[in-house]
Amino acid sequence: EVQLVQSGAEVKKPGESLTISCQISGYIFTSYWMGWVRQMPGKGLEWMGLIFPGDSDTRYSPSFQGQVTMSVDRSISTAYLHWSSLKASDTAIYYCARLPNQDYFDPWGQGTLVTVSS
Amino acid sequence: DIQMTQSPSTLSASVGDRVTITCRASRSVGSWLAWYQQKPGKTPQVLIYKASTLESGVPSRFSGSGSGTEFTLTISSLQPDDFATYYCQQYYSSWTFGQGTKVEIK
Repeated sequence: EVQLVQSGAEVKKPGESLTISCQISGYIFTSYWMGWVRQMPGKGLEWMGLIFPGDSDTRYSPSFQGQVTMSVDRSISTAYLHWSSLKASDTAIYYCARLPNQDYFDPWGQGTLVTVSS
Repeated sequence: DIQMTQSPSTLSASVGDRVTITCRASRSVGSWLAWYQQKPGKTPQVLIYKASTLESGVPSRFSGSGSGTEFTLTISSLQPDDFATYYCQQYYSSWTFGQGTKVEIK
């Protein structure tokens, strides 16, 4: 069974750094693109970017380029999303999701709630 | 960037109703379109991909149609479990989601 398990909820202050994770099982990590999607409170879904774990090739949405960094650790089949300096506007649920053929997102992780507040 | 616009934003319907949601692209995306369902507090789930292909395990009351710039998601007979928010997403050029359509109980 394909599973994506994300790290737990985080509460941070503005200016702090943060890395959240997404560990997969049930498929070959290095064979499929992985995407990240943001959902701000009460809002819709926004594509942030993709990473190919096989070679760490990344594609960022222009809206998120320079704001976050995606990476992977192939040894533990885990993808990461990193912020170097959080803002209050980064408060959201962040989902990781596999792309079966570099197309739609399926399946999704359970989401990580990030709250940034002073 | 390709923009995706869904209509309506909110839809009130009753169990048993036939429901149609429209998704329009700012330029052609061919058939590279998916539909997702998201229930409150839950993870999005893909219903349909490539505009009209039903994901395995999704009830046959869901169907998708369209190509180019106009697409529809139809629920033939709305069930209690279907009250949720639905999103379209193009993957022809980069990836873009529509703003969502909330299906509410009438």
